[in-house]
Amino acid sequence: SQTIHQWPATLVQPVGSPLSLECTVEGTSNPNLYWYRQAAGRGLQLLFYSVGIGQISSEVPQNLSASRPQDRQFILSSKKLLLSDSGFYLCAWMGTSGAGEQFFGPGTRLTVL
Amino acid sequence: GENVEQHPSTLSVQEGDSAVIKCTYSDSASNYFPWYKQELGKRPQLIIDIRSNVGEKKDQRIAVTLNKTAKHFSLHITETQPEDSAVYFCAASRPSNTGKLIFGQGTTLQVKP
Repeated sequence: SQTIHQWPATLVQPVGSPLSLECTVEGTSNPNLYWYRQAAGRGLQLLFYSVGIGQISSEVPQNLSASRPQDRQFILSSKKLLLSDSGFYLCAWMGTSGAGEQFFGPGTRLTVL
Repeated sequence: GENVEQHPSTLSVQEGDSAVIKCTYSDSASNYFPWYKQELGKRPQLIIDIRSNVGEKKDQRIAVTLNKTAKHFSLHITETQPEDSAVYFCAASRPSNTGKLIFGQGTTLQVKP
């Protein structure tokens, strides 16, 4: 069966510091991968998605970037964090069957101070 | 752009009553409509979904209806229980395209014992 991992689970970072969040999926090949952000008490905002290695699409212009160095690995990065980057970051995958279901990882709770 | 509107933002019901959450989408090409339940501090969990070739789908106490002409879909929970208390999100997507989910703003459901 498929599982999705994210780390770290929680992170507290100062403003201006760099960021690297990692997501890996097991038990599937060539999944579509997605990064969402959820601000406290708010909905889910799609940040990036990837349909294959090295293929990244950005949904919202900001100081974040994403990379997909391997088929089942998706990384979210920033060179300099802002206070507004605080939130709950969720990675999700969609299988290649085309059915549409997306399943979320456990998330990373990021606090920027 | 693509948009999903969700109402109400909060809903309080007595245990045993029914709860209905409604969503409207803007992209007429959307053909996949999932519902997620998110408990406090946890990842969203897919609870039911419906595709555009179906008008209604039921799974025990939850059901979803879709009106493609009006671009409306709704979640119905019958015989609510305290453990149904959570935030519920609707979403819309085109799986054959990028599969990216456009989420509604969420509904906080409180079931009072």
